[in-house]
Amino acid sequence: QSALTQPASVSGSPGQSITISCTGTSSDVGSYNLVSWYQQYPGKAPKLMIYEVSKRPSGVSNRFSGSKSGNTASLTISGLQAEDEADYYCCSYLGSSTFVFGTGTMVTVL
Amino acid sequence: QVQLVQSGAEVKRPGASVRVSCKASGYTFTRYYMHWVRQAPGQGLEWMGIINPSGGSTGYAQKFQGRVTMTRDRSTSTVYMELSSLRSEDTAVYYCASGADYDSSGYWVDWGQGTLVTVSS
Repeated sequence: QSALTQPASVSGSPGQSITISCTGTSSDVGSYNLVSWYQQYPGKAPKLMIYEVSKRPSGVSNRFSGSKSGNTASLTISGLQAEDEADYYCCSYLGSSTFVFGTGTMVTVL
Repeated sequence: QVQLVQSGAEVKRPGASVRVSCKASGYTFTRYYMHWVRQAPGQGLEWMGIINPSGGSTGYAQKFQGRVTMTRDRSTSTVYMELSSLRSEDTAVYYCASGADYDSSGYWVDWGQGTLVTVSS
């Protein structure tokens, strides 16, 4: 199973909105509404930001939102802040209790 | 509060095996599935497998089939991940993650601190 495809990097200015795509296939992203997104700072464990495509865990800013269309899921960060500069990974259920991560996207706040 | 505390860093020779532990506290151990994720230096996250702490059933990524074994000890609320036939490419930080109460859920809200495994001759 190949990793889901994400852009290597996305950048934006403070206050702007950015969107990170996560492209899979009809066997993973397209088959299940079970895509999650993780934020990771260097040297730290990942943090769950979005689950089940568009749900936010308690405590996660509503500046983070998720969506899906066909085989592509997206994470949008609105009102970009300096603290949002991190790596972001999508993750999709594959069936049979297995999962696959995306290739990861480095977000830079200009 | 939920805590997942992993064992310390390991240095192994190629061909050896390593066992990493993840001790859970702050919740009913058998309630949430446990996943293992690894990250090689400068690389992305890679899902390795899942274990149901209640019944002990497991599921592994195809890449690790035959080389990884995940087990649990309910008496100590600890899950283990053993990886055999180590090679240099297995050098990575290994994480346990939990929070999902069904196997297809990606609600991995709690993570261990990570365990660095270095494979070197």
